[in-house]
Amino acid sequence: EVQLVESGGGLVQPGGSLRLSCAASGFTFSSYDIHWVRQVTGKGLEWVSVIGTAGDTYYPDSVKGRFTISRENAKNSLYLQMNSLRVGDTAVYYCARASFGGFRGLIPYFDYWGQGTLVTVSS
Amino acid sequence: DIQMTQSPSSLSASVGDRVTITCRASQSISTYLNWYQQRPGKAPKLLIFAASSLQSGVPSRFSGSGSGTDFTLTISSLQPEDLATYYCQQSYSTSMYTFGQGTKLEIK
Repeated sequence: EVQLVESGGGLVQPGGSLRLSCAASGFTFSSYDIHWVRQVTGKGLEWVSVIGTAGDTYYPDSVKGRFTISRENAKNSLYLQMNSLRVGDTAVYYCARASFGGFRGLIPYFDYWGQGTLVTVSS
Repeated sequence: DIQMTQSPSSLSASVGDRVTITCRASQSISTYLNWYQQRPGKAPKLLIFAASSLQSGVPSRFSGSGSGTDFTLTISSLQPEDLATYYCQQSYSTSMYTFGQGTKLEIK
């Protein structure tokens, strides 16, 4: 059974740092791109970052330069280092596995999600 | 960046109704469009990928269509367990994935 379990959330002051983890099981972790997606309470989903199987990474402008995604395949683990945190970063953070399908198997989609971990940035 | 706009933002329907949610992309994304369901207090769940492919285990009353800029998610016969918020997502720009703002579906 595929499972993704996030941890590391909590309360942090503005300007502080936090490291989230995502423990994966039930699949060959090293063969998949993995994403972070966040959700402010009562609001929509916002994509935060992705790390590919080759270690390539991408971020939206809202977190670029402050957040760093990484992976440790030997431990089946994904991380999100969050620095210079802002009140606006308060959200539930989900990790999600990406698979590919559709035309020529090139279309990515998020087929498994973790349960999320809450990050609260407040003084 | 590619913007995704869903409509309506919310809707209320009765059990057995046919429900349609639309999603429009700010530029053509071919069929790089996915739909997710998020029940209250739960993580999102994949329903449809590549615009029209039903994810394994998802009831057949859910279907998706469209290509280019206009897409549709249809529930053929609404069930009580379909109470949720539905999101579309474009995966055409793989360095900047974006979601629609969500459609909250209520049961009358």
